[in-house]
Amino acid sequence: KAGVTQTPRYLIKTRGQQVTLSCSPISGHRSVSWYQQTPGQGLQFLFEYFSETQRNKGNFPGRFSGRQFSNSRSEMNVSTLELGDSALYLCASSLTAGVGELFFGEGSRLTVL
Amino acid sequence: GENVEQHPSTLSVQEGDSAVIKCTYSDSASNYFPWYKQELGKGPQLIIDIRSNVGEKKDQRIAVTLNKTAKHFSLHITETQPEDSAVYFCAASRVSGNQFYFGTGTSLTVIP
Repeated sequence: KAGVTQTPRYLIKTRGQQVTLSCSPISGHRSVSWYQQTPGQGLQFLFEYFSETQRNKGNFPGRFSGRQFSNSRSEMNVSTLELGDSALYLCASSLTAGVGELFFGEGSRLTVL
Repeated sequence: GENVEQHPSTLSVQEGDSAVIKCTYSDSASNYFPWYKQELGKGPQLIIDIRSNVGEKKDQRIAVTLNKTAKHFSLHITETQPEDSAVYFCAASRVSGNQFYFGTGTSLTVIP
């Protein structure tokens, strides 16, 4: 069974640009969550989607947005990139909307210059 | 919101010794507490979890304890092996959704 797939794995952007990251969850999983991982802050929750609806949103500015498609694949977008957005962005899928095991992808490492 | 604190940030043990990582949380409504292991270049992977109606859970060399009154939970790894070397994260969540609050991680090194 394929795991969570994130693309691209690495990318470099400059300040002011925007970026779109993609996540394909495990087959059959309908919940997709996004986390930002930085050395100082650990993993911080961005948002969660279930059946194409955003269920929860973390404490991030409006520059961070996401969506989920009918096949459960998800994308997140960061507009007007800042240096502080450099991080590993992790996607996690879960079978249900209730609390359960999160299956993480290997992440997309974003560097903003 | 929930605040999860994790200690220590780094931990070195000799192979065969035990390792203990501790976390505290602030939101009394949190009732699910997973532990994740992250190896270099990989995403975190669940190793054990505990729900608030249970005080202790074991899985081979790994155990987790929960003290709801004191709002803290701990990960215990016995008979450590070099392959246990990784970064470990604790987390807390309410049953109502998949929004997890993570600790800042503990980098465990097992010295052969």
